Amino acid sequence: SQKIEQNSEALNIQEGKTATLTCNYTNYSPAYLQWYRQDPGRGPVFLLLIRENEKEKRKERLKVTFDTTLKQSLFHITASQPADSATYLCAPLNNNAGNMLTFGGGTRLMVKP
Amino acid sequence: ETGVTQSPTHLIKTRGQQVTLRCSSQSGHNTVSWYQQALGQGPQFIFQYYREEENGRGNFPPRFSGLQFPNYSSELNVNALELDDSALYLCASSMGRGQGYEQYFGPGTRLTVT
Repeated sequence: SQKIEQNSEALNIQEGKTATLTCNYTNYSPAYLQWYRQDPGRGPVFLLLIRENEKEKRKERLKVTFDTTLKQSLFHITASQPADSATYLCAPLNNNAGNMLTFGGGTRLMVKP
Repeated sequence: ETGVTQSPTHLIKTRGQQVTLRCSSQSGHNTVSWYQQALGQGPQFIFQYYREEENGRGNFPPRFSGLQFPNYSSELNVNALELDDSALYLCASSMGRGQGYEQYFGPGTRLTVT
């Protein structure tokens, strides 16, 4: 069956370090993969979209990679700040479900000052 | 903040009752998707409406139904509420059919079924 796996345990890092979050998917080949940020009690906020023919995408301190062979996306935040503390969700486009997004369970990032 | 609004913000219902949740999409967007998010989990896709027609549905029973109006606002109706329906219900609008586009989420409606 199709599955998306994100680290369910919180990731704790020190301010200024690089945070790396992992998203692994199985049993489908998404044409796109999106990353969202979600703060407690609020709706997700779009961060980045990466296509299957793109290896890497950057936006300010954010970088996303997409390895279709490993079926994995990595999300990096460089020079992390306490304000980056949130839950980060990956969402591959599920072409077996009418091209709809399927969200992972998210990884909670805590950046300590 | 996105331009997507949802009402009400919180709701408490009893098992067996019916509920209607509302969503106003961002200006210029013709597509609305609805999601259910249980505590500690990612959003689960319920269905999508594109120009007033259903354009895809997730693994939810028929007692979850929806509607999209000519101004692209949308409603989610849930009949015969069950305890497991307690969740945050999110709507997201976007500029095109399908979900290859950036989704703009509203703040959600927190539904509690007792």
